[in-house]
Amino acid sequence: NAGVTQTPKFQVLKTGQSMTLQCAQDMNHEYMSWYRQDPGMGLRLIHYSVGAGITDQGEVPNGYNVSRSTTEDFPLRLLSAAPSQTSVYFCASSSAGRGSPLHFGNGTRLTVT
Amino acid sequence: LAKTTQPISMDSYEGQEVNITCSHNNIATNDYITWYQQFPSQGPRFIIQGYKTKVTNEVASLFIPADRKSSTLSLPRVSLSDTAVYYCLARASGSARQLTFGSGTQLTVLP
Repeated sequence: NAGVTQTPKFQVLKTGQSMTLQCAQDMNHEYMSWYRQDPGMGLRLIHYSVGAGITDQGEVPNGYNVSRSTTEDFPLRLLSAAPSQTSVYFCASSSAGRGSPLHFGNGTRLTVT
Repeated sequence: LAKTTQPISMDSYEGQEVNITCSHNNIATNDYITWYQQFPSQGPRFIIQGYKTKVTNEVASLFIPADRKSSTLSLPRVSLSDTAVYYCLARASGSARQLTFGSGTQLTVLP
């Protein structure tokens, strides 16, 4: 049981490039979400999904796209990377029940030059 | 969104009890308040959650007053390995699943 798996662990992009951060969970969780963490800013919610085919915006969605075609996977796409998107990205999942805690991956450290 | 407010940092010595308080307004009346611990280069890890009054597990206690406008995480007899950032998390009243973290409290345990 791997939990929440994020790939890659590290990535360097040039401004304007696109990429997809992968997130997969093997716990059959309905809820999945993406956060970014910047120094001194805590975790800010980018997008979330309450089930396959359903996504919604969080606090800081601009510049990011998501889709949820399966229960297991919730990729985060950067269409045109900007230096302001340099951050550590965390994916999290939980079951749908009230009080179900979030399970986090170990993060992807992204640098945009 | 529910706004949570925590102290930015706290220092303690090994063996002491540490209490970290989180203020949260406008939270959902029927959802839990959850605390997470984060070490450098790792994702946050669930510590404890509660709905009201007091909850205790093997690592911490959580105190929630009747008005649910705040909660206090209590770590008994901390050790150096408890040095981490601690976050409280609450769901905003009326939101679906927008789970908003506060800025966290950096706890430093000194020898």
